[in-house]
Amino acid sequence: DAGITQSPRHKVTETGTPVTLRCHQTENHRYMYWYRQDPGHGLRLIHYSYGVKDTDKGEVSDGYSVSRSKTEDFLLTLESATSSQTSVYFCAIKPPGGEQFFGPGTRLTVL
Amino acid sequence: GQQVMQIPQYQHVQEGEDFTTYCNSSTTLSNIQWYKQRPGGHPVFLIQLVKSGEVKKQKRLTFQFGEAKKNSSLHITATQTTDVGTYFCAGPSTGTYKYIFGTGTRLKVLA
Repeated sequence: DAGITQSPRHKVTETGTPVTLRCHQTENHRYMYWYRQDPGHGLRLIHYSYGVKDTDKGEVSDGYSVSRSKTEDFLLTLESATSSQTSVYFCAIKPPGGEQFFGPGTRLTVL
Repeated sequence: GQQVMQIPQYQHVQEGEDFTTYCNSSTTLSNIQWYKQRPGGHPVFLIQLVKSGEVKKQKRLTFQFGEAKKNSSLHITATQTTDVGTYFCAGPSTGTYKYIFGTGTRLKVLA
């Protein structure tokens, strides 16, 4: 498996609290992605990065922000968590022209 | 916006039967990727198709890319219990670095 980890792997939080999920890679790949996965919706892109400090929005970016201050780390922040953000979050990395390698996922529950 | 649709959403087959999932894009794709996600796991890359009309095989799996590069299919011959999971197609979003995933086909194989 590609060198990609996510932390935490599980988190339970309360509505209104900020939450930050971390994606860390050891592959030095340029592209990094954050997806959420919900039953019936497949994988939906939240934000992605095409380089350090270069990020863009995906399909479901409202309520989320990201930062990439160094190649290996891509952070996803829920500014004020809501119950609709309960989901499984996957990070992925990708070299130019290649496939995406996914992390193990973070299961987030917002009460 | 660009959409990638997959059918069927679910498929239950008896072990030994064949299985096919279809992927349709609203726009022409430069390439298409297929991923498999086992229950409780993360998506894993299977294959990438690039050429119009391309057919690739991986053991019992046959992948096709349509002549117009707007559709694709994955066919599994003589399914086994190890084929259980959700199969996703994904196509690049025109002019960006992101990929649009289909909603997935969840395969259940009955022994």
